[in-house]
Amino acid sequence: EIVLTQSPATLSLSPGERATLSCRASQSVSSYLAWYQEKPGQAPRLLIYDASNRATGIPARFSGSGSGTDFTLTISSLEPEDFAVYYCQQRSNWPPYTFGQGTKLEIK
Amino acid sequence: QVQLVDSGGGVVQPGGSLRLSCAASEFTFSSYGMHWVRQAPGKGLEWVAFIRYDGSNKYYVDSVKGRFTISRDNSKNTLYLHMNSLRPEDTAVYFCAKDQRVVEPAGYFDYWGQGTLVTVSS
Repeated sequence: EIVLTQSPATLSLSPGERATLSCRASQSVSSYLAWYQEKPGQAPRLLIYDASNRATGIPARFSGSGSGTDFTLTISSLEPEDFAVYYCQQRSNWPPYTFGQGTKLEIK
Repeated sequence: QVQLVDSGGGVVQPGGSLRLSCAASEFTFSSYGMHWVRQAPGKGLEWVAFIRYDGSNKYYVDSVKGRFTISRDNSKNTLYLHMNSLRPEDTAVYFCAKDQRVVEPAGYFDYWGQGTLVTVSS
């Protein structure tokens, strides 16, 4: 089973700042990695798939990069609605599909 | 707009059973694989099971193998999760999720239900 480790656990930033979230895989997942956003009481939302492709309707301020074992989600300029928990997920070696433990992005 | 509506959660004693349902609309349900994903209280996301678009293959996380069964009724646009021998550690919100790609699974979840809470407790 591929283990995904996200860092940091919590990120405190202000609106307008740039956010950089990391996800490291225990073995190569090629580019088969996605990012999701989850807000309290809501279902997760797919943001990025195949490491760098934005899902339908996702604003351009969200971008993904990386391959192999190291991946990054960048939010170029934080909007108030971006403060949430973010998860990475791999589909390279399944079952099972696995998620990281999450990064909480909070308002500073 | 794709809609997935989860239902069937509740409180059940350890060792008990429950059936979850996910009613799908506004897309061709019979063309897409479907997943169940769960989230224990205050915890992260865990993929539970996947069923191919035609029900021909099913896959599970090890912790539920032999206890949970995923199924679907394409004539009713409905996905199910039959849960037996429930344990306290199965307590979670259960989400159904649509696979991103038609027929062959992409392994990404592009639409989710709102979730249904399963509590296993005596």
